[in-house]
Amino acid sequence: GQNIDQPTEMTATEGAIVQINCTYQTSGFNGLFWYQQHAGEAPTFLSYNVLDGLEEKGRFSSFLSRSKGYSYLLLKELQMKDSASYLCAVRDGDYKLSFGAGTTVTVRA
Amino acid sequence: IAGITQAPTSQILAAGRRMTLRCTQDMRHNAMYWYRQDLGLGLRLIHYSNTAGTTGKGEVPDGYSVSRANTDDFPLTLASAVPSQTSVYFCASSETGNNEQFFGPGTRLTVL
Repeated sequence: GQNIDQPTEMTATEGAIVQINCTYQTSGFNGLFWYQQHAGEAPTFLSYNVLDGLEEKGRFSSFLSRSKGYSYLLLKELQMKDSASYLCAVRDGDYKLSFGAGTTVTVRA
Repeated sequence: IAGITQAPTSQILAAGRRMTLRCTQDMRHNAMYWYRQDLGLGLRLIHYSNTAGTTGKGEVPDGYSVSRANTDDFPLTLASAVPSQTSVYFCASSETGNNEQFFGPGTRLTVL
């Protein structure tokens, strides 16, 4: 199985940068995903890392270190609409996803 | 429609009753999944199907069954609902097991 840890909550100011860390222990690794979930809505795909390094997509970037079992999601130029839960998910060798409990980010004016 | 639909949106159910949650996708995705989401626990995989005609057990399969008679539909059945099955249920699909998953809008189920 998988053990995935991420902080429960984070608060940041509009326009700032926030980094959400995710650590994992896996029995097989086949990629790491980040999803965004607004309250009462479905998760939506943000990013995918399978190799070490940084993937940048607009204001969002995701980093992976497989040797350390570590990833982070970086949100830049925060906007009020970025207030949401951010879910770290690890895909195992059987291509099934295991999710962390999620990090609730609150953006304040 | 494009995407995944789930029905019903919400349901209140008496314990012991049988209930089927419906999920339909029109993206011709091969793989489909059922998750439950509980506060503080995140999304947990109940059952999955890599292709029509096949299904597999996820992390929390007890008390649930699925079928995959065709590509588009993946119903989840609770044979005899119990209060611990109160949760938000999400259906998801992906082109293959190797792609990102797209989620339906969810079904909020309360078992009393």
